Amino acid sequence: GQSLEQPSEVTAVEGAIVQINCTYQTSGFYGLSWYQQHDGGAPTFLSYNALDGLEETGRFSSFLSRSDSYGYLLLQELQMKDSASYFCAVSWDSNYQLIWGAGTKLIIKP
Amino acid sequence: DTEVTQTPKHLVMGMTNKKSLKCEQHMGHRAMYWYKQKAKKPPELMFVYSYEKLSINESVPSRFSPECPNSSLLNLHLHALQPEDSALYLCASSQDSGGAVDTQYFGPGTRLTVL
Repeated sequence: GQSLEQPSEVTAVEGAIVQINCTYQTSGFYGLSWYQQHDGGAPTFLSYNALDGLEETGRFSSFLSRSDSYGYLLLQELQMKDSASYFCAVSWDSNYQLIWGAGTKLIIKP
Repeated sequence: DTEVTQTPKHLVMGMTNKKSLKCEQHMGHRAMYWYKQKAKKPPELMFVYSYEKLSINESVPSRFSPECPNSSLLNLHLHALQPEDSALYLCASSQDSGGAVDTQYFGPGTRLTVL
């Protein structure tokens, strides 16, 4: 089967750094995406990794290791507005279909 | 402009009603998607249109009927829905560049309640 695993919930303190991991088992792999979704809102694209290594976009970074079928999203200088659910998603077969993880709820405490 | 718009934002309908959800994008994207999302779950793909032709139908019941009138518009016609169809319906679009993986941009969604 095809599956992605990510923690269901992560708690961190405002101003700190948090890492959300994602491991995947899929029959094909083109790349790993990360989406943020606030309660009641729509998923917002954060990052995409097709090759091994670290991609940095402001306070957010995303890492991929294809040999380990593993990636993570790193959020630095956490702000209360970062409280949301974060989904990893694999592009595996066609240009259109994503396999989604179950999502990680990030709780940030003052 | 990376905006996908959806109307209405909220919809309440009875099981015998017919209603439509609308989605619009002006980014020149040629792929458009309908997703269904239940609370605390990831989005589930329903339909994909590529260059205004239905490309993927994920075995969605016929009470959901998609339509792509032109490259900027996507509709989802609803008829004889069940209470379990209550969910957030998301529209998304992507470039459809062929051979490359394109980022999908989501609209704000329509919160549907079926009574």
